[in-house]
Amino acid sequence: SQQGEEDPQALSIQEGENATMNCSYKTSINNLQWYRQNSGRGLVHLILIRSNEREKHSGRLRVTLDTSKKSSSLLITASRAADTASYFCATDAAGSARQLTFGSGTQLTVLP
Amino acid sequence: DSGVTQTPKHLITATGQRVTLRCSPRSGDLSVYWYQQSLDQGLQFLIQYYNGEERAKGNILERFSAQQFPDLHSELNLSSLELGDSALYFCASSVDGYGYTFGSGTRLTVV
Repeated sequence: SQQGEEDPQALSIQEGENATMNCSYKTSINNLQWYRQNSGRGLVHLILIRSNEREKHSGRLRVTLDTSKKSSSLLITASRAADTASYFCATDAAGSARQLTFGSGTQLTVLP
Repeated sequence: DSGVTQTPKHLITATGQRVTLRCSPRSGDLSVYWYQQSLDQGLQFLIQYYNGEERAKGNILERFSAQQFPDLHSELNLSSLELGDSALYFCASSVDGYGYTFGSGTRLTVV
């Protein structure tokens, strides 16, 4: 079963705009990770935020984590057509053997 | 190239058959994870191996089994295949359980 839900399911924006995706989860976590998947291909690890962190940056990516609300957001700034992909959040649940539970994903389309 | 190699990339087989999917983890990674991605179930964790031993099991059917060999490569065996087993099967490896590296997947089509 999936740990969380992502919102929105699909997002379409113009190049240069910012894209924000949200993820909610259900149980206590060690960390939360974001992955990108280009159509039918493997997942690429983007960023990891630990449960004691509130915000993290990596290049054009900004991730926030609110453990009290069991939610996270991924912001992609100044989007490019090459950012078109599906984005998944994944949680590493507290006490788990490190397997990840993935959300349902957000399909991002960046129009040139 | 992520460093995690999965073969074959595509597999088409008939119902009732058995197939083996292979994964070579990134050099130095002791953990191997198998995931299934389907349209209706999304990404589901199947099973994890660590240095040759089974570490955790997820939503893996009894018809499926896996193992990790001394050279750390892993195989996922799927038997008595059904149409609903059609999916992308991913292998991922990790050195410390943080930040997986995924392979490009094996697309299995059961006809």
